[in-house]
Amino acid sequence: GDSVTQMEGPVTLSEEAFLTINCTYTATGYPSLFWYVQYPGEGLQLLLKATKADDKGSNKGFEATYRKETTSFHLEKGSVQVSDSAVYFCALSGWGGKLIFGQGTELSVKP
Amino acid sequence: DTEVTQTPKHLVMGMTNKKSLKCEQHMGHRAMYWYKQKAKKPPELMFVYSYEKLSINESVPSRFSPECPNSSLLNLHLHALQPEDSALYLCASSQVGGDRGYEQYFGPGTRLTVT
Repeated sequence: GDSVTQMEGPVTLSEEAFLTINCTYTATGYPSLFWYVQYPGEGLQLLLKATKADDKGSNKGFEATYRKETTSFHLEKGSVQVSDSAVYFCALSGWGGKLIFGQGTELSVKP
Repeated sequence: DTEVTQTPKHLVMGMTNKKSLKCEQHMGHRAMYWYKQKAKKPPELMFVYSYEKLSINESVPSRFSPECPNSSLLNLHLHALQPEDSALYLCASSQVGGDRGYEQYFGPGTRLTVT
């Protein structure tokens, strides 16, 4: 079945550091791919998405490229801020409209 | 507007109580979802409504009873819950279409504590 694997956390970075959170997927067909972010005490927010191979999703300085050849959708940001501290979930659109989530990666950014 | 609202924000209930969670969206979405989330874990799908009809029930215990009165509203009725049901309950909505669906928009959640 469809699945998503993302790097385990927690990830701790200093402010202005470069961020990469790895995400790989297994799926039949052509799913859409998403990154969601969850700030403490809040619901999930859609951060970015990509619907087909080689699409690049971007938002708030974050980027991710849909790589079909490596079945990956890694999240990157060039310079993180303390306000980026949150849990990040990679997800794909499964059959029947279900979202298949990775386990989540907790990011902590120190000043 | 990509807002999904949920009430109440927090709920504490005893194991013999009956309570309801409410969710509302005005994005014209025809699919709505209930999820349960434990701390720092991904959300677990509970129910899916498509065009106001229940399309997916992920083998959820009958003490959770969903209801979709119209295309904008989704309720989750709770009865005789157990302490292990304490969690963040998230509502989401999306467009309907295609085999694999669209991105889902989540509400802020209801933090439920069962005593």
